[in-house]
This record gives sequence, C-alpha cells and structure tokens, in this order.
Amino acid sequence: QKEVEQNSGPLSVPEGAIASLNCTYSDRGSQSFFWYRQYSGKSPELIMSIYSNGDKEDGRFTAQLNKASQYVSLLIRDSQPSDSATYLCAVRNPTGSARQLTFGSGTQLTVLP
Amino acid sequence: EAQVTQNPRYLITVTGKKLTVTCSQNMNHEYMSWYRQDPGLGLRQIYYSMNVEVTDKGDVPEGYKVSRKEKRNFPLILESPSPNQTSLYFCASSPGLGSKGYEQYFGPGTRLTVT
Repeated sequence: QKEVEQNSGPLSVPEGAIASLNCTYSDRGSQSFFWYRQYSGKSPELIMSIYSNGDKEDGRFTAQLNKASQYVSLLIRDSQPSDSATYLCAVRNPTGSARQLTFGSGTQLTVLP
Repeated sequence: EAQVTQNPRYLITVTGKKLTVTCSQNMNHEYMSWYRQDPGLGLRQIYYSMNVEVTDKGDVPEGYKVSRKEKRNFPLILESPSPNQTSLYFCASSPGLGSKGYEQYFGPGTRLTVT
C-alpha cells in the first residue's frame, strides 16, 4: 500500500465550479499535511498546510483534514483556468523520521473555460 | 527575495562524465533535500540534510552524492552519470524547526539528460 495516495486524474471541472481533490495516507502517526500546486515543467509551490482536524480556508482554497479516516482534501472554489495544474498532497512523516515529507503522485486538474 | 536557487537549469551530458548541480537557499533553513521527479513515479527523495555536515539517504540515493559544508548550500554530485539518471531534479529547503518547520520550498528545477 502506498503511503500517500491520490487519484491521478485527470480531473476536469468547468470554470466557476468547485474542484475537489482527495488524498489518503497510511500512517496514523502523521502530523502535518500539505498541498502543493505544480504547473507543467515548473517546481511545486506550497499553497496550503493543515495540522489539525477540520477545515482551513485561505482565499478560494479550503483544506479539510480527518485524521480518524486518514483523509485530507483540497477544495478550490470558483475554479479558474489558471488553476489547471497538478496538485500534490504531502504528509509529514511521524516524529523521529528525518525524511520529513512523503508526496503523493499528484492529481492533474483541468479547469475548462 | 526568499528563494532556493539551482544551477544549471538544463544540462545535457554523456554517460560517465562527472557533474554537480548546485543548490543554495537564502532563508537560513536548517533542512535541505534533493528530489527527482519522473513521469508516473512522482517526487522521490534522493538525499537530505538536517544541518551542516549532517546528511542521510532518502529513497533513491544510488548513484548520487551530496555534501553540506555550509548551511546555505547543498550540491548534488553525480560522479558517473548513467541514462537512468535522466530526470527533473528539485532542491528544497525548510526551516526544520518551529510550527512551520516542515513547510518545504522548492527550487526551480534542473532538467538533466544523460546520453
């Protein structure tokens, strides 16, 4: 079982819709969770971090964390064509591991004008 | 401007010719790391460093070396590159401490082709 799993997509949504990206992780001891956006040929860019159960909102982005279900999601409201990118979920490894983050393989999002 | 820089951005080389990819950060971060990214395989960690003179292997360290003699620099060395090391390489850094200690920031990437 992969440590961090994401649907690879592609996920297509119309402009103005809500895009929902999901991520599950295997280690119950994981503490911190991150969403990165990566445009084709570019480097990953940190867009959200979440550390406790519940929702965290930042502009059009909302991260949701449910540690009991080992599930983290990213919602993008009012999706724009400029949101078209691959979204990477990253999970902090449990305390004591210096490797820091494990990344999922990413979900490719396309927002259709 | 806070940033992670990498050089070169693009490199085409031949099998066996030693090369170094430099990485530098100006954020006084404790933690630095190298990743490679390949289609269908995602980001895989090569090496990481918790601080000066402290380095350790990640998931795919074979064929690579690193050093951390200064806090800001973390070069990646390929002593005898092979075609299977053709990839997109990213350097990343994070504070390593504090509430945002694990938030990693990435350099622009180095696209390496080994023929």
